[in-house]
Amino acid sequence: AQKVTQAQTEISVVEKEDVTLDCVYETRDTTYYLFWYKQPPSGELVFLIRRNSFDEQNEISGRYSWNFQKSTSSFNFTITASQVVDSAVYFCALSINQAGTALIFGKGTTLSVSS
Amino acid sequence: DSGVTQTPKHLITATGQRVTLRCSPRSGDLSVYWYQQSLDQGLQFLIQYYNGEERAKGNILERFSAQQFPDLHSELNLSSLELGDSALYFCASSVREPGAGSDTQYFGPGTRLTVL
Repeated sequence: AQKVTQAQTEISVVEKEDVTLDCVYETRDTTYYLFWYKQPPSGELVFLIRRNSFDEQNEISGRYSWNFQKSTSSFNFTITASQVVDSAVYFCALSINQAGTALIFGKGTTLSVSS
Repeated sequence: DSGVTQTPKHLITATGQRVTLRCSPRSGDLSVYWYQQSLDQGLQFLIQYYNGEERAKGNILERFSAQQFPDLHSELNLSSLELGDSALYFCASSVREPGAGSDTQYFGPGTRLTVL
């Protein structure tokens, strides 16, 4: 069975601090896809990044970076120099290469950035 | 703005009633997905349609049904509503056919359903 675990329920930081959100996934499939979505207080789900299981290259996009490690089944997300606008719930999700490709979400991590 | 539209934004109704949620996918997207977000269950996949055909089912109750029309918009019908059906219902869309490699799903703003 597939599963996504986000062990951190809530994280509070002060502006300009770096913060890492953890994500651990479980799947027996060799081909799978990992995603991060952001849900700000307004409620919509915003796509941030997608990685394929065959591409372990880590990525940096502005203040965001992602660390994908198959050996530990982790796909962690780091925000550098956090800002108040980063306050949101962040979801890690998994899908496998089968008909349907529904997303399996973790429970989410609520990030609060104070000024 | 993801390009996925959902109406209505808010819906308040009573137990036992039936409601219809509507979703229009991004231009060019053929797959539509429905998800439910509740406090106790988190984000859960309900059902997927591809080009008018049902392709996958998740934890969707028998009281719920969906369809995708020839113009690719989709409707989620919820009947015999219970208090526990109160949740945020998301529609998402993507391009690819299921099984052709997972594509990125873009989400609409959601419909917040309150059952009183």
